[in-house]
Amino acid sequence: EVQLVESGGGLVQPGRSLRLSCAASGFTFDDYAMHWVRQAPGKGLEWVSGISWNSGSIGYADSVKGRFTISRDNAKNSLYLQMNSLRAEDTALYYCAKGYYYGSGSYEHDAFDIWGQGTMVTVSS
Amino acid sequence: EIVLTQSPGTLSLSPGERATLSCRASQSVSSSYLAWYQQKPGQAPRLLIYGASSRATGIPDRFSGSGSGTDFTLTISRLEPEDFAVYYCQQYGSSSGYTFGQGTKLEIK
Repeated sequence: EVQLVESGGGLVQPGRSLRLSCAASGFTFDDYAMHWVRQAPGKGLEWVSGISWNSGSIGYADSVKGRFTISRDNAKNSLYLQMNSLRAEDTALYYCAKGYYYGSGSYEHDAFDIWGQGTMVTVSS
Repeated sequence: EIVLTQSPGTLSLSPGERATLSCRASQSVSSSYLAWYQQKPGQAPRLLIYGASSRATGIPDRFSGSGSGTDFTLTISRLEPEDFAVYYCQQYGSSSGYTFGQGTKLEIK
């Protein structure tokens, strides 16, 4: 079964850091780009960051650029999001999502065909 | 940044009816990079359509996508009870990354 399981969310104070993880199974992880997408409570979807299969192509939303870092470990079938200098507006459910296109050398021009159930991040004092 | 505007915000229909959801872009979007998702309460989004008109794996053929340039449409030919949900369009733009529309809520009338 194709599956993505996020972890690492929680309550954190403004200005602090948090690292999210996403464990993938049921597909060849290093054949696909991966992404983080977030959803604030009661709001719509916002793409956060994406990374190509070999980490050679990485992109961020303007709202997190310079604060968040995406990475992946293909040997461990895992995706990560290091979040620094967290703000109240970063409060959201963070989803890990698999890129649709096989073997893409870029995080760009993709669709997201498999999603995890999300991990909640709450930034509050 | 390319802004996607979905209409209507809420669509009230009955099972068996046809649903037409609109997604309008502030600038021309390559059809290859336009996707639609369905999200039910408490669940993750599900990919329905990619490349503006290609159905994702396992998606029933009552779902279809069309459009080009700045105007795209998701059509559900005959609504089933499980189709009532929120629908999002999404595009990729080189200067702004991926953006989503604000969503259309499809509710039972």
